[in-house]
Amino acid sequence: SAVISQKPSRDICQRGTSLTIQCQVDSQVTMMFWYRQQPGQSLTLIATANQGSEATYESGFVIDKFPISRPNLTFSTLTVSNMSPEDSSIYLCSVEADTQYFGPGTRLTVL
Amino acid sequence: EDKVVQSPLSLVVHEGDTVTLNCSYEVTNFRSLLWYKQEKKAPTFLFMLTSSGIEKKSGRLSSILDKKELFSILNITATQTGDSAVYLCAVDRNDYKLSFGAGTTVTVRA
Repeated sequence: SAVISQKPSRDICQRGTSLTIQCQVDSQVTMMFWYRQQPGQSLTLIATANQGSEATYESGFVIDKFPISRPNLTFSTLTVSNMSPEDSSIYLCSVEADTQYFGPGTRLTVL
Repeated sequence: EDKVVQSPLSLVVHEGDTVTLNCSYEVTNFRSLLWYKQEKKAPTFLFMLTSSGIEKKSGRLSSILDKKELFSILNITATQTGDSAVYLCAVDRNDYKLSFGAGTTVTVRA
């Protein structure tokens, strides 16, 4: 298994601003993922973040809006840029370690 | 396009009841089927199923996969109020990307 932490746990932001979410895992992992869960919806994959390569984004998600960094095998960040109320969601990172384990999530509210 | 369909979408039971949750899927490059329990924000891993017909058990929870008919069930026996949560089914592909169902909201009343 893997122990994952995320910061911040929650935030309330003004539209037009950006927020960077951090994900830290307690062991080295090759594959990390970022998911979004909009209110009342299930989880949707935003992108795959592998160390040493550019993040790969799913259809409907672009790097300018959700830039991702993966500087090493235990850490990643997701930035939500130029936020609008539609970006209000729970953002979750996960890691592949025999199966996928999820971090505690970041609840973002955009006013 | 991958499809993962869970049923029912929600149910309400009383403590001690047994619940059965269903998950059907149509996914290319199937690797495994996963069940998670979500309370508040974080999905908590329950089971990973890769082979047909082999039941996985953990306490009062059990799950089984049918790869021929492309579905899985999750059973919870002797339910407790602490079982109240959203239960998510996800299919893991060979590229490790997960496709999630909409989830089943289980409410257990005392």
